[in-house]
Amino acid sequence: EAQVTQNPRYLITVTGKKLTVTCSQNMNHEYMSWYRQDPGLGLRQIYYSMNVEVTDKGDVPEGYKVSRKEKRNFPLILESPSPNQTSLYFCASSSSATDTQYFGPGTRLTVL
Amino acid sequence: AQKVTQAQTEISVVEKEDVTLDCVYETRDTTYYLFWYKQPPSGELVFLIRRNSFDEQNEISGRYSWNFQKSTSSFNFTITASQVVDSAVYFCALSEATGFQKLVFGTGTRLLVSP
Repeated sequence: EAQVTQNPRYLITVTGKKLTVTCSQNMNHEYMSWYRQDPGLGLRQIYYSMNVEVTDKGDVPEGYKVSRKEKRNFPLILESPSPNQTSLYFCASSSSATDTQYFGPGTRLTVL
Repeated sequence: AQKVTQAQTEISVVEKEDVTLDCVYETRDTTYYLFWYKQPPSGELVFLIRRNSFDEQNEISGRYSWNFQKSTSSFNFTITASQVVDSAVYFCALSEATGFQKLVFGTGTRLLVSP
């Protein structure tokens, strides 16, 4: 089954404790992105990747890091999480820059 | 700059009513793509439709239909004979043909369908 998976699905952590949210797709897509969803703001792009070792900032990259060492994986790293990063996070992948993006199930993160 | 506006924050209807969700977009590009996604209460994002800027033909898929009008920069979504299972947040989104994977979302419209 073609899918995008994210782990964990739910995470509660404390300020400053480094965490990684994993994202993996099995569709051999070149493009992958991370978004955060906040009430009243819709979804905003954090980072995206056009291929292995190629990443770029989206609209809200502050406080986040990403890496793309393998085509299928695109982890999101919060090195020092803060309460304003409490949000619902989605990973997405697509076969081209403008093709349909397929989303993972989401990760609900709470930073205390 | 790209922008998507969904002015309706929340809409409540009774089952079997027709409902239209509005989407207005802004872009300077002549080539762009428009999308609708559904987010049910379970939280996942479900792809509904993708439309490119050169195809203004309206589309119908079962009870769903989409009206794309470049003259008014709108891409409205209509659900005919709504059902309780249609209750969800619906997002309209825009992507320009820049070579970058950038999808700009509206703020979403929450649709509540009551029995």
